[in-house]
Amino acid sequence: KAGVTQTPRYLIKTRGQQVTLSCSPISGHRSVSWYQQTPGQGLQFLFEYFSETQRNKGNFPGRFSGRQFSNSRSEMNVSTLELGDSALYLCASSLVDRGRDEAFFGQGTRLTVV
Amino acid sequence: AQSVTQLGSHVSVSEGALVLLRCNYSSSVPPYLFWYVQYPNQGLQLLLKYTSAATLVKGINGFEAEFKKSETSFHLTKPSAHMSDAAEYFCAVSDRGRRALTFGSGTRLQVQP
Repeated sequence: KAGVTQTPRYLIKTRGQQVTLSCSPISGHRSVSWYQQTPGQGLQFLFEYFSETQRNKGNFPGRFSGRQFSNSRSEMNVSTLELGDSALYLCASSLVDRGRDEAFFGQGTRLTVV
Repeated sequence: AQSVTQLGSHVSVSEGALVLLRCNYSSSVPPYLFWYVQYPNQGLQLLLKYTSAATLVKGINGFEAEFKKSETSFHLTKPSAHMSDAAEYFCAVSDRGRRALTFGSGTRLQVQP
């Protein structure tokens, strides 16, 4: 079956702009999580959605937001972009939202802020 | 708060040699533990996971890890390294109530011919 699909794969934005990233989970998966990966901070949890509700949130400013649709697809939005937001953004889907469930990752969206 | 420590940001082994990547976690209760591998410009692929069944966990590509509660460790091993194992490896932990993974800083494995 198809894996986790993230679009676009690459994105270049200017400081101050806003950006929306998309994630389509594996069919049947209801939990979607987002992570930011940077050389300096490593992999950091942004937030998790399950059945259209945000269940957990990491320690990121309010400029980072997300949502999940009824078909489990998820979007992540970053407003007022800063240079430090340049990162690989990874989406992961799981069957349900238990801690033991395996998270399947997409290939990520590489965001560059100039 | 949970945390994961991966000792050694870079590990270099010869092809055919033992691979040992170290991971220690801090948690008040035994968490769920995972090892992921990341190839350049790719997402993360699960190698194996510990969810309190067997303490010795076997994963894909010949990797295995042993959960040692007394040492709060979950080290990743492979008896014989292959060139294709060169990648970055991440240890991660999640608690029993949340779907959020806390990752270690990663270990880049280099395999010399």
